[in-house]
Amino acid sequence: DAMVIQNPRYQVTQFGKPVTLSCSQTLNHNVMYWYQQKSSQAPKLLFHYYDKDFNNEADTPDNFQSRRPNTSFCFLDIRSPGLGDAAMYLCATSRGIVQFFGPGTRLTVL
Amino acid sequence: KQEVTQIPAALSVPEGENLVLNCSFTDSAIYNLQWFRQDPGKGLTSLLLIQSSQREQTSGRLNASLDKSSGRSTLYIAASQPGDSATYLCAGLNAGNNRKLIWGLGTSLAVNP
Repeated sequence: DAMVIQNPRYQVTQFGKPVTLSCSQTLNHNVMYWYQQKSSQAPKLLFHYYDKDFNNEADTPDNFQSRRPNTSFCFLDIRSPGLGDAAMYLCATSRGIVQFFGPGTRLTVL
Repeated sequence: KQEVTQIPAALSVPEGENLVLNCSFTDSAIYNLQWFRQDPGKGLTSLLLIQSSQREQTSGRLNASLDKSSGRSTLYIAASQPGDSATYLCAGLNAGNNRKLIWGLGTSLAVNP
């Protein structure tokens, strides 16, 4: 089945230790998104790729970076995680209007 | 400023009831409305998309409507089941940026057996 896959599903890291979250898709969608969602809050868009073009939201901290080496994969790098970065990180893809979401990665920062 | 509002924030109903979840938006430039379901600790599942040219969409026991003139969308769930228990979020697309969804905070639904 075509889908959006996120690995790992649960990630524990230490304060300040770099961490990378992974997203892959079999939908062949040209747009990929990264969202951060904290408890009882709506998802917050961090950035998205339209093909290879990177689009950063104005309020996304510099601590967050992203890479998209090919159509299928997109990575979220958190250079120095703080306690406030503990959240669910959601990857989504789209070709038109509808966005399809992965299951998310729950990040814990100790 | 919350541009998309969902009322109620939480709802608890007995199994079998028909129910309506509400989503209102202040931005008149929102032209598409998408409803999502989120189970606790999980990702988002797209339920229905209503485009500006449509007034409603149906999928099984779910029916979503869109009234752009009043800035409202509703999600109707018929014959609710315990398996419908989840958080339901609505999100709109602004005509000026068709890749950035504008989200409500969701309605947490509990359907009791």
